Amino acid sequence: AQRVTQPEKLLSVFKGAPVELKCNYSYSGSPELFWYVQYSRQRLQLLLRHISRESIKGFTADLNKGETSFHLKKPFAQEEDSAMYYCALNPGNTPLVFGKGTRLSVIA
Amino acid sequence: KAGVTQTPRYLIKTRGQQVTLSCSPISGHRSVSWYQQTPGQGLQFLFEYFSETQRNKGNFPGRFSGRQFSNSRSEMNVSTLELGDSALYLCASSFQSGRDTQYFGPGTRLTVL
Repeated sequence: AQRVTQPEKLLSVFKGAPVELKCNYSYSGSPELFWYVQYSRQRLQLLLRHISRESIKGFTADLNKGETSFHLKKPFAQEEDSAMYYCALNPGNTPLVFGKGTRLSVIA
Repeated sequence: KAGVTQTPRYLIKTRGQQVTLSCSPISGHRSVSWYQQTPGQGLQFLFEYFSETQRNKGNFPGRFSGRQFSNSRSEMNVSTLELGDSALYLCASSFQSGRDTQYFGPGTRLTVL
């Protein structure tokens, strides 16, 4: 079965500290993975997708097929990074599978 | 391009009533998906429509239904509302079904009293 696991419900870090939001997936095929972010009172928006291999707002994520992970990282957290982050798996012709999300709180 | 729009933004209903939510996708997008978002369960898939046909359906009771019109606009209906239906209902559109990126609307906050 396709599944996305985000083990941390809440992650608190100090401003300037490194951030790593964990995401593990279960999928037998070739995965396509995304990170979505939801800032307070804003809509869910795409942060990055693994096939583009780009850095958005300083965040990067590398797909590790051996560990079935797609962790989101940023070297120096900023207060405006505080938000809800969702990892999602797109299996193709079936719906997006979302993890339950991790709330990131960056403390000044 | 205008983003995905959803109406109404807020709704308050009582148990047993029914409700219809509307979603207008990004111009040119033919796929519309609906999700229920709650603090406890996160984002749960309801259904997906593509070219007026339901392609996928999530694990929700038959009280939840939807449809898509020829202009790709979509509606979802919930009949016989229960307290547990209180949630944020999100609509997402993509150019085609499958591996296209989904773009989300602001959601409709439904409160069932």
